[in-house]
Amino acid sequence: AQSVAQPEDQVNVAEGNPLTVKCTYSVSGNPYLFWYVQYPNRGLQFLLKYITGDNLVKGSYGFEAEFNKSQTSFHLKKPSALVSDSALYFCAVRDTGKGTYKYIFGTGTRLKVLA
Amino acid sequence: EAQVTQNPRYLITVTGKKLTVTCSQNMNHEYMSWYRQDPGLGLRQIYYSMNVEVTDKGDVPEGYKVSRKEKRNFPLILESPSPNQTSLYFCASSPIAGSTGELFFGEGSRLTVL
Repeated sequence: AQSVAQPEDQVNVAEGNPLTVKCTYSVSGNPYLFWYVQYPNRGLQFLLKYITGDNLVKGSYGFEAEFNKSQTSFHLKKPSALVSDSALYFCAVRDTGKGTYKYIFGTGTRLKVLA
Repeated sequence: EAQVTQNPRYLITVTGKKLTVTCSQNMNHEYMSWYRQDPGLGLRQIYYSMNVEVTDKGDVPEGYKVSRKEKRNFPLILESPSPNQTSLYFCASSPIAGSTGELFFGEGSRLTVL
């Protein structure tokens, strides 16, 4: 069965330090992988995606993510965190193997960047 | 401005009183879907639609109905709401042809069923 796991409910990091938000997935075919961010009282906003090619993908606001096929992971990273990065982050996968448009989301990780 | 619009944004209702949450997108997207967001459970897909008159169940369709009579609209219908449907609901859309599938989300509709 398809699934996405975000093992950390919350990640705390000091401003200026690097951050990592973890995501692992399980799908039957080749995955399309996504990260979304949700600010308070707002909808989700697309950050970045991995479809194929280079395992390191860059997205909005200085975020990047590393696709690791052997570990079935797609961790979100940023070299230097900002207080304004504090938000709820969701990892999502679309299983292309079944030819459907079903998306599976993780449970979300709350990122707190401390000044 | 390209957007997904949901209404109402906030609603308090009572058990059994039928309600509809509307969703409209102005990007000519083929794909539309509904999610509910609950603490500790993330987003769970309720229904999705690949195009007009084409809908399918997601992971948690019980208690919900949808229709896709026009490309731009995808309303979510709760025929007889119950307290366990108290949640934050999101509509999302995406193009299909030539797309790698990132979703565009509405601002959310917070529903409370008493």
